[in-house]
Amino acid sequence: GQNIDQPTEMTATEGAIVQINCTYQTSGFNGLFWYQQHAGEAPTFLSYNVLDGLEEKGRFSSFLSRSKGYSYLLLKELQMKDSASYLCAVRDRNAGNNRKLIWGLGTSLAVNP
Amino acid sequence: GAVVSQHPSWVICKSGTSVKIECRSLDFQATTMFWYRQFPKQSLMLMATSNEGSKATYEQGVEKDKFLINHASLTLSTLTVTSAHPEDSSFYICSAHRGSGPGAFFGQGTRLTVV
Repeated sequence: GQNIDQPTEMTATEGAIVQINCTYQTSGFNGLFWYQQHAGEAPTFLSYNVLDGLEEKGRFSSFLSRSKGYSYLLLKELQMKDSASYLCAVRDRNAGNNRKLIWGLGTSLAVNP
Repeated sequence: GAVVSQHPSWVICKSGTSVKIECRSLDFQATTMFWYRQFPKQSLMLMATSNEGSKATYEQGVEKDKFLINHASLTLSTLTVTSAHPEDSSFYICSAHRGSGPGAFFGQGTRLTVV
């Protein structure tokens, strides 16, 4: 079956670094996405990994290991505005539609002063 | 960049009435759009896949006669919540894919409150 796990909540301090992990199980892995969602708003795209390794984009980086079914999102130099929910989503080519995403439950990150 | 516009952003309706939500891709054509529902502090729940020119594909447990989806053009999909009840109150979000790009672009979401 398909399953995505990520921690429910995390807390970090302004200026620090935080790593949000995501593990997944799919039969036809075809890419992993990270989205940020502030309360009451729609998700916004952060990163996409389809090959193993690290993708860096400013303060945000995302890592993927396909053999381990594992990804993490790394946020550096945390700012108060980074307080949000971070959603891990996987695309599965066997899901009936090759653009359909399977979503994790999201990690609620609280950044404290 | 690509923009997906969703309208209205919020709506309050009486129980038993119907509500239509529009999702438009503003600068690209989207053959496929997705409709999600999200309850407070929960993740996105895919309701259906909207396919231009054909019937929508509904996820298990989603009533197709209650949540009517129409994707009549390459830039517009609509979701109609028929005979709405208080338990239908939720945040409804659409997304669309641009060309062969991997990412999904989301609309702003619609907060539906049924009273």
